[in-house]
Amino acid sequence: KAGVTQTPRYLIKTRGQQVTLSCSPISGHRSVSWYQQTPGQGLQFLFEYFSETQRNKGNFPGRFSGRQFSNSRSEMNVSTLELGDSALYLCASSVAGGPPKNIQYFGAGTRLSVL
Amino acid sequence: QKEVEQNSGPLSVPEGAIASLNCTYSDRGSQSFFWYRQYSGKSPELIMFIYSNGDKEDGRFTAQLNKASQYVSLLIRDSQPSDSATYLCAVYSGAGSYQLTFGKGTKLSVIP
Repeated sequence: KAGVTQTPRYLIKTRGQQVTLSCSPISGHRSVSWYQQTPGQGLQFLFEYFSETQRNKGNFPGRFSGRQFSNSRSEMNVSTLELGDSALYLCASSVAGGPPKNIQYFGAGTRLSVL
Repeated sequence: QKEVEQNSGPLSVPEGAIASLNCTYSDRGSQSFFWYRQYSGKSPELIMFIYSNGDKEDGRFTAQLNKASQYVSLLIRDSQPSDSATYLCAVYSGAGSYQLTFGKGTKLSVIP
């Protein structure tokens, strides 16, 4: 069974640009969560989607948005990039999301560098 | 603000010793608890999860949960150099939340 697939693996952008990251969950998983990981802040929750609906959103500005398609694939978009958006962006999928037993499995991540 | 706290380390233990990693959480309604391991430059991988008070063992790993004291720990017996990684504690908060909140991780170094 294929794992969580994130594309692209690496991105270099300049300030002010926008970027779209893609995540394909494990087959049969309908919940997709996105995280931003930086050395200083650790893993921070961005948002979670289930059946094309956003159920939870973290404390990030509106420049960060996402969506989920009917096949459970998800994309996240960051507009008007800032230097501080440089981070590893991780996607995780689970069968249905939420407590108590839904285990999240992570993709390899997309490393975004903003110059 | 629901928080998950971990000692950032580094925690150094000799090969063959027991490594003890601790995590506290602020939301009393938290229902389930996960330990992930993350090697440098890699993504987190699940080690164990626990949702009932007490101990849960899987090979060299034991997770311990104490809901009254709001802490969860991970013991690694017979530590190996390959266990050197950052260990992340994660918590699902109460009903209606689909957000998994992570601690900042404890860096473990196993010395040969």
